[in-house]
Amino acid sequence: GQQVMQIPQYQHVQEGEDFTTYCNSSTTLSNIQWYKQRPGGHPVFLIQLVKSGEVKKQKRLTFQFGEAKKNSSLHITATQTTDVGTYFCRTNAGKSTFGDGTTLTVKP
Amino acid sequence: DSGVTQTPKHLITATGQRVTLRCSPRSGDLSVYWYQQSLDQGLQFLIQYYNGEERAKGNILERFSAQQFPDLHSELNLSSLELGDSALYFCASSVGEGRWIQETQYFGPGTRLLVL
Repeated sequence: GQQVMQIPQYQHVQEGEDFTTYCNSSTTLSNIQWYKQRPGGHPVFLIQLVKSGEVKKQKRLTFQFGEAKKNSSLHITATQTTDVGTYFCRTNAGKSTFGDGTTLTVKP
Repeated sequence: DSGVTQTPKHLITATGQRVTLRCSPRSGDLSVYWYQQSLDQGLQFLIQYYNGEERAKGNILERFSAQQFPDLHSELNLSSLELGDSALYFCASSVGEGRWIQETQYFGPGTRLLVL
């Protein structure tokens, strides 16, 4: 079945530093979604990428979909304490597959 | 508030017991998905129902079963519980079947199950 790997598993940053998480698939993806789960909360949809090489921005968050549609990244510029949580990518329309997530902690 | 409700919020039970978790999807959503999230773990897809019928199966144990009722609410039944079943169980819903292209999933607040 489809495998998706998300790295890093954990990232600790100082407030104001940048953060990036990567999602890598062994197969070509039709599309990819990103979700955020705050500590003690539930996953919340952030964005969906469909086109090869697509780049989307939401304020300080930049999402990219690779040219080969096998990988994606989420980049946060100048992290804030409100960015803490676990970021998941989701792939595979057939059997909903989430990456293991990257947990971000931000030191004020 | 996602519009997805789950009950109960917390559940404490003993090994060998059976429990039922309930989920009501967002109004208008036809698909319900169940996930298991163990401590510091990712989201393990268990099963999906669409308009009352099973649509996709993930890593769901034989001791677990689910169903979706005509009013579209869903129940996840966990039996012969083991310590390792302790986890957060999320339900999510989406508008359509999501067979060929992913749809946005809206998650409920989860049910935290503790098996002692």
